[in-house]
Amino acid sequence: EADIYQTPRYLVIGTGKKITLECSQTMGHDKMYWYQQDPGMELHLIHYSYGVNSTEKGDLSSESTVSRIRTEHFPLTLESARPSHTSQYLCASNDSPGAGQGTDTQYFGPGTRLTVL
Amino acid sequence: QKEVEQDPGPLSVPEGAIVSLNCTYSNSAFQYFMWYRQYSRKGPELLMYTYSSGNKEDGRFTAQVDKSSKYISLFIRDSQPSDSATYLCAMSVSRGNQFYFGTGTSLTVIP
Repeated sequence: EADIYQTPRYLVIGTGKKITLECSQTMGHDKMYWYQQDPGMELHLIHYSYGVNSTEKGDLSSESTVSRIRTEHFPLTLESARPSHTSQYLCASNDSPGAGQGTDTQYFGPGTRLTVL
Repeated sequence: QKEVEQDPGPLSVPEGAIVSLNCTYSNSAFQYFMWYRQYSRKGPELLMYTYSSGNKEDGRFTAQVDKSSKYISLFIRDSQPSDSATYLCAMSVSRGNQFYFGTGTSLTVIP
């Protein structure tokens, strides 16, 4: 079982509030990701990091920001939440594969269900 | 055009049935193919991982990749109510690089 954690699991918040979604993994993985998942839609990559002090935006335009100060921690922040941010947010991680080693597959956290009123 | 196409279902089958789930893709550079299972209110968990074309079997699950047709399948034999979940396909060009996901197929196995 993957050791990747997300908090909070559920969050209901008013418009304009600043929120931070937490993601931590204890596997020592270099690579971490944030996805947005809506019903009937594919997972959309919104941010990723390939290591400490490395962050990139994904395919989906997002008003969120991320930081990667420690290997195990990859928080996502919304400065001013809006109803359009209502979604399921999934954090994932995987290691950088060595030649012939492992599957490099992504391990997912349980998700944060965010509702912005 | 989406990179990965997957029929969202929903799919409903009786217990014991053989289930076939499928994805098609457009990028011929994809080499790594995965199937994830996602239970309600949980994150996706890896079910099967395949490199390039061919079949891979793990218990009641068989993953099949046909790169010439850009088509992958997941077969579930002797389906159980505990198999009720959403199944997502995913693929990547090279190891450690960006994953592209399907929309997921919702499966219900009726006792």
